[in-house]
Parts: sequence; C-alpha cells; structure tokens
Amino acid sequence: DQQVKQNSPSLSVQEGRISILNCDYTNSMFDYFLWYKKYPAEGPTFLISISSIKDKNEDGRFTVFLNKSAKHLSLHIVPSQPGDSAVYFCAASDNQAGTALIFGKGTTLSVSS
Amino acid sequence: DAGVTQSPTHLIKTRGQQVTLRCSPKSGHDTVSWYQQALGQGPQFIFQYYEEEERQRGNFPDRFSGHQYPNYSSELNVNALLLGDSALYLCASNVGENSPLHFGNGTRLTVT
Repeated sequence: DQQVKQNSPSLSVQEGRISILNCDYTNSMFDYFLWYKKYPAEGPTFLISISSIKDKNEDGRFTVFLNKSAKHLSLHIVPSQPGDSAVYFCAASDNQAGTALIFGKGTTLSVSS
Repeated sequence: DAGVTQSPTHLIKTRGQQVTLRCSPKSGHDTVSWYQQALGQGPQFIFQYYEEEERQRGNFPDRFSGHQYPNYSSELNVNALLLGDSALYLCASNVGENSPLHFGNGTRLTVT
C-alpha cells in the first residue's frame, strides 16, 4: 500500500505560467515532507521541505503548501522555466521512527517555451 | 566540494552472483542511506548507516547488507542476485536529523 501518492504521472506547462504538483499521503505520523527534482542520469536533488508544524514554506520560485487535515501537499513553481523540466518526487518521513524517506512515484514536468 | 560519489556507474551481473556497490558521502556528512529505484517507481529505502552501524532498515531481505567505514564511506552488498534486483541504486548522505538527503547519481545494476 503506497503511503505517498503522486497521482499525476505527468504535467505540461507553458514557460512563465504556474506549475502545481500534487502529493497525497496516508500515514498521519508523517511530520516532515520534502520535494526532490531529478534529471535523467542524475540523482535526485533536494528542492524544498516543510515541517508538519507549518502550512507553507517558500524558497524563491518554489513554494510548498501542506494541508494536514487533507493529508495533502503541493509544490508551486512560479514562473515555470524550461530548465524546470524534470521528474519531481514528493517524499515524507516519520521522525519518530527514524529518518527514512518514503517517496512517491514522481511526476514528470515538461515546461515548453 | 565533492558531492556524493558512487561507483561503478553501470554494472551487469548474472542471476545468483554477488555485487558490491560503493559510495563516498558529501564532505562533512556522517550518515549514509541506500535506496533502490526500480523503473517507473520512486526510490525505496534499503537501510541507513551511522557510526558504522545499521541504524534503520527498510523492507528488504537479508540478501541486502551494508557496511560503513570510519571515513564514512559505505558499501551495499547484494547476494544471490535475482532478475528483480535490476534497478538504479542510489546512495545519499546527510548530517543530523531533518537534514535533507544529498544523493549521488546512482549505480545502474542489470541482472541477466
């Protein structure tokens, strides 16, 4: 049973517009959430994180929103750029049980110019 | 400042063989984790090493074992390889709790 779900395998957006990537989780014990970006032939690169005590965290063009009651988080990229085209993974951890990350299957973002 | 380095980049093995993958963590990092990423899936946690001890383990059989050396580098060993072990194996390092993982580029293992 998948504990972290990214239900959209792919997303296409035009350059300059907003990209919204979504992630749902089932384990209410998760208290730390991260987004990673992965280019082909490279390892995942950390983008942004959020603790369960917050509902929003912003870093430049990237903002992560957390809705604990809905067990949902989203990553907003504004404005989107062609270089943002990559696979985006949502990940979560339960720090009570350790620091292992549980990843979703990823969403492939394509930003066209 | 070198990031996480993994070797080899690609490897082809036959069913039943054994394989060792290597990882050097990012400078200043003391914790190493290993993940398996099958095609079309997200990375799946195998285990984590800290102070040369396995600190946490995911849902992987005992055929998967590891080691961490005093210089924090790490190895992942897989015995009795199965076709299903074909995947990208990612090493990640960090320091302290809630410190984001830094991943290497992975080792692509193909079992034939």
